Amino acid sequence: QKEVEQNSGPLSVPEGAIASLNCTYSDRGSQSFFWYRQYSGKSPELIMFIYSNGDKEDGRFTAQLNKASQYVSLLIRDSQPSDSATYLCAVSAGGTSYGKLTFGQGTILTVHP
Amino acid sequence: DTGVSQDPRHKITKRGQNVTFRCDPISEHNRLYWYRQTLGQGPEFLTYFQNEAQLEKSRLLSDRFSAERPKGSFSTLEIQRTEQGDSAMYLCASSSTSGRHVYEQYFGPGTRLTVT
Repeated sequence: QKEVEQNSGPLSVPEGAIASLNCTYSDRGSQSFFWYRQYSGKSPELIMFIYSNGDKEDGRFTAQLNKASQYVSLLIRDSQPSDSATYLCAVSAGGTSYGKLTFGQGTILTVHP
Repeated sequence: DTGVSQDPRHKITKRGQNVTFRCDPISEHNRLYWYRQTLGQGPEFLTYFQNEAQLEKSRLLSDRFSAERPKGSFSTLEIQRTEQGDSAMYLCASSSTSGRHVYEQYFGPGTRLTVT
């Protein structure tokens, strides 16, 4: 079992729709959860982070965390073609490895006009 | 705040040669991380430093790889006797262990290594 799993997609949504990206993780001791956006040929860009169970909203983005189910999601409202990218879920271990990130393989999102 | 910088951006080398990459973190960040990313995969952790101390190395990291951060500022990653399987994007990230944005990692542009 992979430590961090994402549906690789591709996920295709029409412009203006809600895109839903999902991630599960195996380490119950994980403390922090991050979503990165990566455009082709570029490096990852941090867009959201969440530490506590529940929802966290920032503009068009909402991150959701359920530690009991070991599940993290990212919702993108009013999707735009410029949101087309690979979205990486990253999980930070607890304990002495806190801060070290384990990434999923990424979900490719395409927003079509 | 000029962001994380990496040099060079691209490196083409022949199998068996040694290469060295440099990373300059965000100035107030005391943590520096190295990751490697191959096509279609997420970044894979290699090693990280807090100040000048190397706190963890991936057990998958070959002995041909070594990293340093001698003065707690910039870091270098050296790969000795490169192999074709070393071809990847090498990413550096930095974060702070204090302040508002604790442990949020910000990535540099990466160094793309091609081993021929």
